[in-house]
Amino acid sequence: AQSVAQPEDQVNVAEGNPLTVKCTYSVSGNPYLFWYVQYPNRGLQFLLKYITGDNLVKGSYGFEAEFNKSQTSFHLKKPSALVSDSALYFCAVRDPRDSNYQLIWGAGTKLIIKP
Amino acid sequence: NAGVTQTPKFQVLKTGQSMTLQCAQDMNHEYMSWYRQDPGMGLRLIHYSVGAGITDQGEVPNGYNVSRSTTEDFPLRLLSAAPSQTSVYFCASSYSADRNQPQHFGDGTRLSIL
Repeated sequence: AQSVAQPEDQVNVAEGNPLTVKCTYSVSGNPYLFWYVQYPNRGLQFLLKYITGDNLVKGSYGFEAEFNKSQTSFHLKKPSALVSDSALYFCAVRDPRDSNYQLIWGAGTKLIIKP
Repeated sequence: NAGVTQTPKFQVLKTGQSMTLQCAQDMNHEYMSWYRQDPGMGLRLIHYSVGAGITDQGEVPNGYNVSRSTTEDFPLRLLSAAPSQTSVYFCASSYSADRNQPQHFGDGTRLSIL
């Protein structure tokens, strides 16, 4: 079955340190990969996506993500964390061959940046 | 540019009541969808629409109806509310149904069923 795993419920990082939020997926073929961020009491906001091409994609707010096909991973990264990066982060995957237009979502990772 | 607007923001219902959650977008997006978000479960797709007059079921459609009479509006109806439908509901839209398109989300409706 197709699935997305975010193995860490919560990630704690000190402000100024690099951060990584992990995502692995089980989708055959060449999936489309997305990261979204959710701030408290708000809807999800699109951060970045990987469709094809360079394995390192850059997105909003200084975030980037690295696609690794052999490890079926799409980890979200930022070189220097800000307190304002504290939020809930979701990884999502879409099979481009799927006829039902569904995104497969991870359960989310809470990122806490401490001053 | 308002984006995706959901109303109401909060609602408390009694078991058995019906109600409609409203969703409107002003970006002329073809694709619209409804999700529910429950703790630790990510988002689950309820219904979606690839254009006016076209709707289809998602992962968890039971107990919900939708219609898409215009491009802008995509209301979600709870037919007979049950406590299991207590959740946060999000409406989302994208420019097209192309699978590489990111989605734009509303701020959600927090629904409690007593």
